[in-house]
Amino acid sequence: AAGVIQSPRHLIKEKRETATLKCYPIPRHDTVYWYQQGPGQDPQFLISFYEKMQSDKGSIPDRFSAQQFSDYHSELNMSSLELGDSALYFCASSRGQVADTQYFGPGTRLTVL
Amino acid sequence: DQQVKQNSPSLSVQEGRISILNCDYTNSMFDYFLWYKKYPAEGPTFLISISSIKDKNEDGRFTVFLNKSAKHLSLHIVPSQPGDSAVYFCAASLGSSNTGKLIFGQGTTLQVKP
Repeated sequence: AAGVIQSPRHLIKEKRETATLKCYPIPRHDTVYWYQQGPGQDPQFLISFYEKMQSDKGSIPDRFSAQQFSDYHSELNMSSLELGDSALYFCASSRGQVADTQYFGPGTRLTVL
Repeated sequence: DQQVKQNSPSLSVQEGRISILNCDYTNSMFDYFLWYKKYPAEGPTFLISISSIKDKNEDGRFTVFLNKSAKHLSLHIVPSQPGDSAVYFCAASLGSSNTGKLIFGQGTTLQVKP
C-alpha cells in the first residue's frame, strides 16, 4: 500500500539559510500534519491542513510557513535557520478533517550547522 | 506541561512473555488514543487505537486497555517477539472537538530479548 512520502530524507543547512521540506500524503488523504521531533523528545505538532486550508497551528515559529497544494501535497518552508531547528520533521496524513488515525512518513532529518 | 506521560523510559522483557507499556494523561477531554511503534530512522507506525467509549481493543498480539477514571491506558503485547523491540509512543487526540492533532508521550523503549 502507498505510504506517506517525504523529501528529502536528509538535509544539511547552514545557520540563517532556508529549507523546504515536502510531503506527499497517502492517495485520497486530504489532511496533512507536520510534527517536529527533537533529539530524545516526543514529536511536537507544528501545523495541519485540511482541503488546502490551514486547520490548526501548534508551536511553529514565525520563521516557518507551510501550505497544502491542489494535489494535497504539502511543503514546510523554514527560513533563518537556527541550530535549534535541527530535528526530525515528520509529516502525517489522514482522511477527513477530524480523522482518527494519522499515518506518518519516514521523516526528514534536518541538520543545521 | 506534559499532557500525555509515559513514565517508563525503557522496558526489557524475555521473548514469549508479556510486554506491558503504560501511559497516563491529564486532559479529560481526550477522546481517542493511539499507540505507535517507531524504529530508528523511520517514522512512527500505527499499531492500535481506542476510543474513549471503549475500555479494550484487541488486534492480534496487541491489546490496548483504557481506564478513563484513572486517565490511564496500557498496551499489552503477547507474546513478545524480538522484532517488537522499538520505541513505543502513546498519543492522544481531542477527536471530534478538534482538528485531530496528536499529543504524544515521551516514548518507552522496549527491548525483547531472545
